Amino acid sequence: KNQVEQSPQSLIILEGKNCTLQCNYTVSPFSNLRWYKQDTGRGPVSLTIMTFSENTKSNGRYTATLDADTKQSSLHITASQLSDSASYICVVSARSNTGKLIFGQGTTLQVKP
Amino acid sequence: DVKVTQSSRYLVKRTGEKVFLECVQDMDHENMFWYRQDPGLGLRLIYFSYDVKMKEKGDIPEGYSVSREKKERFSLILESASTNQTSMYLCASADPYPGSYGYTFGSGTRLTVV
Repeated sequence: KNQVEQSPQSLIILEGKNCTLQCNYTVSPFSNLRWYKQDTGRGPVSLTIMTFSENTKSNGRYTATLDADTKQSSLHITASQLSDSASYICVVSARSNTGKLIFGQGTTLQVKP
Repeated sequence: DVKVTQSSRYLVKRTGEKVFLECVQDMDHENMFWYRQDPGLGLRLIYFSYDVKMKEKGDIPEGYSVSREKKERFSLILESASTNQTSMYLCASADPYPGSYGYTFGSGTRLTVV
């Protein structure tokens, strides 16, 4: 069964600190993995997308890694800011032509001053 | 940038009403999707469409229908709204190719059924 699991479920950190969010998946055949940021009451916004051959991708203070052998991904946030408070969703796409995605439950990050 | 526009941010409807949620995309994408998002359950696919007048059921289609009369517009219909359909509804669109980078969500519609 295609599944995406994220950990931790929620996280509280102090402003300026770094943190790492985890994503494990069992999607096959694998096409790509995306990380989305979702502010409260808004739609998800794409942070990074990685295909099978990519193992690191950065977007400002966000760095995603992908290990296709172990089927694990992480999202590292550097020097956190209050505006980083949001839900972070890991999404994996199976290889198909319809664009269907398998979603993780998300990690809720709260950055405190 | 791809824009996916959902017609309402917030909506309050009464039980039994027929509800239309509209979604429009401006990138000529062939695939469009409707999800609902509930705490603890994540995003769940209701319906998707891969072409005009084509539709496919997702994981939770019961109580919903969809309409895709034009490529850019995908409507979600609640024939008779019920309180358990209170949720955040998200529309998305994507181009059709495997490994597509062009998957974009709208801002969401928070529907409350009273």
